[in-house]
Amino acid sequence: GAVVSQHPSRVICKSGTSVKIECRSLDFQATTMFWYRQFPKQSLMLMATSNEGSKATYEQGVEKDKFLINHASLTLSTLTVTSAHPEDSSFYICSAPGLGYEQFFGPGTRLTVL
Amino acid sequence: QKEVEQDPGPLSVPEGAIVSLNCTYSNSAFQYFMWYRQYSRKGPELLMYTYSSGNKEDGRFTAQVDKSSKYISLFIRDSQPSDSATYLCAMSALRNRDDKIIFGKGTRLHILP
Repeated sequence: GAVVSQHPSRVICKSGTSVKIECRSLDFQATTMFWYRQFPKQSLMLMATSNEGSKATYEQGVEKDKFLINHASLTLSTLTVTSAHPEDSSFYICSAPGLGYEQFFGPGTRLTVL
Repeated sequence: QKEVEQDPGPLSVPEGAIVSLNCTYSNSAFQYFMWYRQYSRKGPELLMYTYSSGNKEDGRFTAQVDKSSKYISLFIRDSQPSDSATYLCAMSALRNRDDKIIFGKGTRLHILP
């Protein structure tokens, strides 16, 4: 199956700093990628749809200015958490649709804001 | 009513038992149904996907879709301790391949040795 990677896998930062998370489709192109957030023992919550070459589409309640998404190429989407605070600590996961419409997920990035 | 309902569990069964995991949904436009397995602190892994109604089997796993009842199931035969994970059902209307997927909350499964 298709492979999606994320970097970094884990990040710890101080409150007020910005953190960038990368999502790459390694062996296929993805015009669309999805970003999710998952709190402990909770399901995946879709944050936004990243569109190559255009603006991301955010879900209701997700702050666009806080979670900046850039989909600069057909294999890379980035999520930047700006001015991170402890309540932003979570597990962030990206996904990309395969040829058969199934979603392939990255391994996730665990963000801890001190 | 939520679009996708899934009992969060936890569900504990002895090793070797048959496991039945289920989801119900309300949107009749859903055509594409998936089951994902997620181990702790890992990204979800696609287990099976089916289009429209019917059954699909892959090794010890069988997925069933009943669109008339808006009910989907995943059966795991000869369950193993390594099957212990959270299982998420997911579905999409599939108007295009970039349609977002709606996930259930996930069911935590424990297979007891």
